[in-house]
Amino acid sequence: DTEVTQTPKHLVMGMTNKKSLKCEQHMGHRAMYWYKQKAKKPPELMFVYSYEKLSINESVPSRFSPECPNSSLLNLHLHALQPEDSALYLCASSPRGQGLGATNEKLFFGSGTQLSVL
Amino acid sequence: AQSVTQLDSQVPVFEEAPVELRCNYSSSVSVYLFWYVQYPNQGLQLLLKYLSGSTLVKGINGFEAEFNKSQTSFHLRKPSVHISDTAEYFCAVILTGGGNKLTFGTGTQLKVEL
Repeated sequence: DTEVTQTPKHLVMGMTNKKSLKCEQHMGHRAMYWYKQKAKKPPELMFVYSYEKLSINESVPSRFSPECPNSSLLNLHLHALQPEDSALYLCASSPRGQGLGATNEKLFFGSGTQLSVL
Repeated sequence: AQSVTQLDSQVPVFEEAPVELRCNYSSSVSVYLFWYVQYPNQGLQLLLKYLSGSTLVKGINGFEAEFNKSQTSFHLRKPSVHISDTAEYFCAVILTGGGNKLTFGTGTQLKVEL
């Protein structure tokens, strides 16, 4: 299994809703990432978990709350979002989380969750 | 801080023609360079990467890129494109020893026409 699976594929939520995005991989990867991608823009890193510990938080607002319950699963909890948070949310994983410059290290991306905040 | 510039937002090309997508980077220290492809409604996929050694890097799907330190460039090339190569292409950079944070360029939309 060489896939990163993200659910749901599409999500529409109101500004007062609480929802969660889910990401799963069964490749034994030890680093997992959340990216945000606005239309016609490059992905922007939000969070990185390495060995189930949060290692990077790119000053993301607290209305986004990541969680890594185990090495295969990554969640992004959403609460009180704004319309400008509408975007494609991409999850990725990498084998060891030792730095993307390592020879055998690369990112594997899921297909994303398209989020619309009304 | 490091950055990458992709000057061409769109590149139209006919099928079976060669293509070059340009990427220039800015950094005062050594970097690693990457090219990713994003097909419609999908995540990103690594095409190739330059870490060290030979400056000509071959990737998947017949793509290659050449690292040119003097011109601070890492242009992506393919000698003959196919309609299925239509996608968004992102150049990305990371500082050597820079951990897991990639900095992406703004992307180039490659549109292959019959």
